[in-house]
Formats: sequence, C-alpha cells, structure tokens
Amino acid sequence: GQSLEQPSEVTAVEGAIVQINCTYQTSGFYGLSWYQQHDGGAPTFLSYNALDGLEETGRFSSFLSRSDSYGYLLLQELQMKDSASYFCAVGGAGNMLTFGGGTRLMVKP
Amino acid sequence: DSGVTQTPKHLITATGQRVTLRCSPRSGDLSVYWYQQSLDQGLQFLIQYYNGEERAKGNILERFSAQQFPDLHSELNLSSLELGDSALYFCASSARTGGGEQYFGPGTRLTVT
Repeated sequence: GQSLEQPSEVTAVEGAIVQINCTYQTSGFYGLSWYQQHDGGAPTFLSYNALDGLEETGRFSSFLSRSDSYGYLLLQELQMKDSASYFCAVGGAGNMLTFGGGTRLMVKP
Repeated sequence: DSGVTQTPKHLITATGQRVTLRCSPRSGDLSVYWYQQSLDQGLQFLIQYYNGEERAKGNILERFSAQQFPDLHSELNLSSLELGDSALYFCASSARTGGGEQYFGPGTRLTVT
C-alpha cells in the first residue's frame, strides 16, 4: 500500500517563504507530484519530481529525496492568492496518484 | 480552465437511488481518472481508464462502476446510494501514463439525502 504524511495546516505572512513537507511510504514509486486546490475548486497541477533534486517553477520549487522518501514544496514571495490546500501525491503505475491528506496554507497580510 | 468537463455540477438525490456522472477529458487525452473527495477522507482514487480499458482500481465500492466510451468520455455510475456517498467527485485526464500530471475537471457535488 501507499501512505503519505503532510502537515494539516501552515500559516505564513505575505512575502514570506513557506515549506510544506511530505513523507511517503509506497510499494512502487514513480514520482512525487504537488497539487494546489482553492476552496470550492479543482486540484491544479504544480510540479512533479521523478528524480532527486530541486525543480523550480517561478515562485514555487519542489524537492525530492528518494532515499529518504521525502519531498517538499517551497513557496516564495507568498501572496494572499496562495492561500489554498496543497496536496502531495505519489505516482504509481499508469500515472495513478495516491494523495496525501493535504496542507491548508493560510497567508496573512 | 483545464479542458476537462464534468456534468452535472450539482446533484441532489435520495438514499437508495442511482446516479450517473459524466466526464469529457481534454482533447487528445486517453487516460481518465475518477476521484472522490470528502471532508474526512481527502482525495481518494477510485478508478482509471485508458483508451476504453480499465487500467487501475482504487478504493471503489462494488456499488460504483465506470466505463470509458469510444469517444473517450467516461461515466461513473453510483447505485444504492447512501448518506456517506455525499462528496465531490472529480474526473481527471492525462495524455501520458506517467509524469504525475493530471488535469482535473470542476467536479460534481453529490448530496444524498
């Protein structure tokens, strides 16, 4: 089976940097994805790491360490619109995704 | 707009009834995935279809079934509905069978009374 752990809530101020961690246990691992979901909306793809290291996409970066079964999403220069839930997801065969419980990020002015 | 469409947007029905949720994937995407999102269970993978064939199965109840048609749209059938089936049901699609990137539709909010 597969399981993922991520913090349930994180609070930060506008302009700051926040890191959302994700640890996973899986029987078959293809990669780690991150999704953003605003209240009432659909999950939106942010990033994907198949290999160890850091992937940067604008203000967002994602890191993976396969040996530690660990990854994180780094959000820089936080904006109010970044307030949302963030999900890590482990990819399995056929691109099937198993999602973590989600981290609710609250950005305060 | 992800390019994935789902109908209906909202559905209210009674216990014991049967409903069908419909999904049209992005143009060209062969894979369709169904997820259930409820407050206490998070995003749960239900089932995946690839080019008309079932590819992977998650925690899908026997009362639930799905299919993908030749035009690649998919339907999720929920029968003998229970109060606990109330949730948001998302459909997602992807072009590849790997890469961790899926495009989600707006979801169908099902309320069972």
